[in-house]
Amino acid sequence: AQRVTQPEKLLSVFKGAPVELKCNYSYSGSPELFWYVQYSRQRLQLLLRHISRESIKGFTADLNKGETSFHLKKPFAQEEDSAMYYCALSRSTGFQKLVFGTGTRLLVSP
Amino acid sequence: EAGVTQFPSHSVIEKGQTVTLRCDPISGHDNLYWYRRVMGKEIKFLLHFVKESKQDESGMPNNRFLAERTGGTYSTLKVQPAELEDSGVYFCASSHLTGTGTYEQYFGPGTRLTVT
Repeated sequence: AQRVTQPEKLLSVFKGAPVELKCNYSYSGSPELFWYVQYSRQRLQLLLRHISRESIKGFTADLNKGETSFHLKKPFAQEEDSAMYYCALSRSTGFQKLVFGTGTRLLVSP
Repeated sequence: EAGVTQFPSHSVIEKGQTVTLRCDPISGHDNLYWYRRVMGKEIKFLLHFVKESKQDESGMPNNRFLAERTGGTYSTLKVQPAELEDSGVYFCASSHLTGTGTYEQYFGPGTRLTVT
């Protein structure tokens, strides 16, 4: 069965501290992994995907197939990073449904 | 370019009533998805349209839910009769094939449904 696990409901850090939002998945095959973010009063939007291997807003995520993880990291958190973060997966081909984790709320305090 | 729009933004109905949610995808996007987030739970897939055809409706919870996409443009999701457990936020997303060969899904703002 496809499943995405985000163990932390809330992650609270101070500005300038490193951040790591954890994501583990189970999938029989080669999935595509994503991080979506929802800022306050805004819609859900794609932050990054594993196949693009890019850094967006200072965030990076590396797919670790051995540990079936796709943790989201940022070396220095900013207050504007406060938001709800969702890890998601889909099949790697075509237009496929997304399977989401329960989300982690990141709160960055000044 | 206008994003995915959903109407209404919020609906409060009584148990047993009927509600119809509407989603307008981004123009030109053939793929349209419905998702739902029940409080405290993850966002769950409901169904996927390709143009006017249902590609995957494996996530539809029961036959009280009916989705349509006549003409392959906007879509409606009707709940009849509504039950308390149907309360949640209903998201619509649309996608297309980008020039880089990816299939990014663009989400609407969601409709918050409250069944009392």
